[in-house]
Amino acid sequence: EAQVTQNPRYLITVTGKKLTVTCSQNMNHEYMSWYRQDPGLGLRQIYYSMNVEVTDKGDVPEGYKVSRKEKRNFPLILESPSPNQTSLYFCASSLSGGLNEKLFFGSGTQLSVL
Amino acid sequence: GENVEQHPSTLSVQEGDSAVIKCTYSDSASNYFPWYKQELGKGPQLIIDIRSNVGEKKDQRIAVTLNKTAKHFSDLHITETQPEDSAVYFCAATGTASKLTFGTGTRLQVTL
Repeated sequence: EAQVTQNPRYLITVTGKKLTVTCSQNMNHEYMSWYRQDPGLGLRQIYYSMNVEVTDKGDVPEGYKVSRKEKRNFPLILESPSPNQTSLYFCASSLSGGLNEKLFFGSGTQLSVL
Repeated sequence: GENVEQHPSTLSVQEGDSAVIKCTYSDSASNYFPWYKQELGKGPQLIIDIRSNVGEKKDQRIAVTLNKTAKHFSDLHITETQPEDSAVYFCAATGTASKLTFGTGTRLQVTL
């Protein structure tokens, strides 16, 4: 089944403790992206990647890192999480990153930073 | 950059009634307008999209209309609503910055 898989689904951590949220897709998509969803703010893009070893900042990249060493994986790294990074995170992918392409989303990771 | 506003933030309708969600965008050069549905505990899923050279598109009970006059809006219409239509709906637009900008979301509740 074609899908984007995120782990974990829920994560509670404390300020300053490094964490990684994993994302993997099995559709051989070139484009992958991370979003955060906050009440009243909709979906905001954090980082995106057009292909292996190619990453770029989205609208809200501060406090986040990403890497794209393999085509299927695009982990989101929070080196020193802070409470304002408490949010619902989604990984998404599309075939080649074309502007009119359908985005496939994972099921989300609910992160709480205490 | 592109600014996408979505109204209302919450909408409650009775089963069988119609629901309309309105979306306005600021960039007159935007040319692609998708709508995503997010069910509880799941990620958003594309339900319909429209390009700027088309005024209306239908897919069964869902339709999207596009008006590119000075106001610039894209509306989502759901007819004969059913309980499974309950979800959060997001509009989006692709502007001159060549990126997809999402609206703030509308929580639709269909009551029996």
